[in-house]
Amino acid sequence: ELKVEQNPLFLSMQEGKNYTIYCNYSTTSDRLYWYRQDPGKSLESLFVLLSNGAVKQEGRLMASLDTKARLSTLHITAAVHDLSATYFCAVVFAYGGSQGNLIFGKGTKLSVKP
Amino acid sequence: SAVISQKPSRDICQRGTSLTIQCQVDSQVTMMFWYRQQPGQSLTLIATANQGSEATYESGFVIDKFPISRPNLTFSTLTVSNMSPEDSSIYLCSKLGLGTQYFGPGTRLLVL
Repeated sequence: ELKVEQNPLFLSMQEGKNYTIYCNYSTTSDRLYWYRQDPGKSLESLFVLLSNGAVKQEGRLMASLDTKARLSTLHITAAVHDLSATYFCAVVFAYGGSQGNLIFGKGTKLSVKP
Repeated sequence: SAVISQKPSRDICQRGTSLTIQCQVDSQVTMMFWYRQQPGQSLTLIATANQGSEATYESGFVIDKFPISRPNLTFSTLTVSNMSPEDSSIYLCSKLGLGTQYFGPGTRLLVL
């Protein structure tokens, strides 16, 4: 079964703190995405990770991929209130040749408090 | 980044009726994708809309309930037929772009 599991599902952080969101997936994948969703909004693409050991950083967010462990992490450094949102990881399982079939995790609802 | 527009942005519908959602993308693509996000949940792929052929539906979704049209390379429609309250969701269209997959703003549907 194709599964993508995120944890934690809810995360309440204080500003200035660091934390990591984990994304495990069940079988071999071609690529892994991280998205941000603000309430009432669509999904904003944050990172696309393609290969083992890939690391990408944008501002206070850093994503990494370990394909052998089937694990990706989204690390938040010195959180600020503006990072409050729901974060989804999504994986493409390369079957049937459809690169657009993303399997999403349940999302991590992040709340950053002053 | 890609530009994807959807109409309507939201609607409130009566049980038993149908709603057609339109999606326009900014560049020609072979495949467009329709996703559903139920309240407080993650996204699930409904179907892949292929230009020039029948849509490909995922397990649990059928053409009679979610007919799709794909008349050209930049446009697609998804119809939610014979609606029930369980169809209340956000419906998003999506396309593959340069380096990532883009999502439209979504259509928020409430079925009473």
